Amino acid sequence: GESVGLHLPTLSVQEGDNSIINCAYSNSASDYFIWYKQESGKGPQFIIDIRSNMDKRQGQRVTVLLNKTVKHLSLQIAATQPGDSAVYFCAEIRHNAGNMLTFGGGTRLMVKP
Amino acid sequence: NAGVTQTPKFQVLKTGQSMTLQCAQDMNHNSMYWYRQDPGMGLRLIYYSASEGTTDKGEVPNGYNVSRLNKREFSLRLESAAPSQTSVYFCASSDPAGRGYTFGSGTRLTVV
Repeated sequence: GESVGLHLPTLSVQEGDNSIINCAYSNSASDYFIWYKQESGKGPQFIIDIRSNMDKRQGQRVTVLLNKTVKHLSLQIAATQPGDSAVYFCAEIRHNAGNMLTFGGGTRLMVKP
Repeated sequence: NAGVTQTPKFQVLKTGQSMTLQCAQDMNHNSMYWYRQDPGMGLRLIYYSASEGTTDKGEVPNGYNVSRLNKREFSLRLESAAPSQTSVYFCASSDPAGRGYTFGSGTRLTVV
């Protein structure tokens, strides 16, 4: 079925390094994509989003890249900090499906001091 | 602080018991959602409400009912709880275009 998934289940990086978390999606009808950060025992926290008519969007220390040709999404975190340790999910929204978010399985980011 | 509030935070039920999970948002969002999250997995949509007075099934609606009480509140009911419903439940809200999608802190439900 149509789904959003992630290439890597875990990612371990050194503090101060850049992190790249990848996501593949299969539904070309998706309208936009969101990256969420989820810490243990908490709900998903919005990080950044990108519309399907964009290729790149930057926030504070984060950048999302969208490659529609290969249906690939990535989240880049600059100068990764211990507080960035969490599980990261990409999710897609299709407005013709009631704004339902379809989530991938998550990538755990571990930042080593 | 503005956001989505869920109650209770934790609940243990026996098989066959019923309960209602409460959710309220104060962001004046039209759309509200109930998701469940199983260990190590992403969230899956149970039900959603695009606006006050409407509700629709999501990906995994079986065993659940919902009520959109007013614009602020959206409740999820388990009529006869089963162990397969052990999960963490998240409520969320957004504007009609899906902007501002915000989640509550979750309800951890265990059915024994």
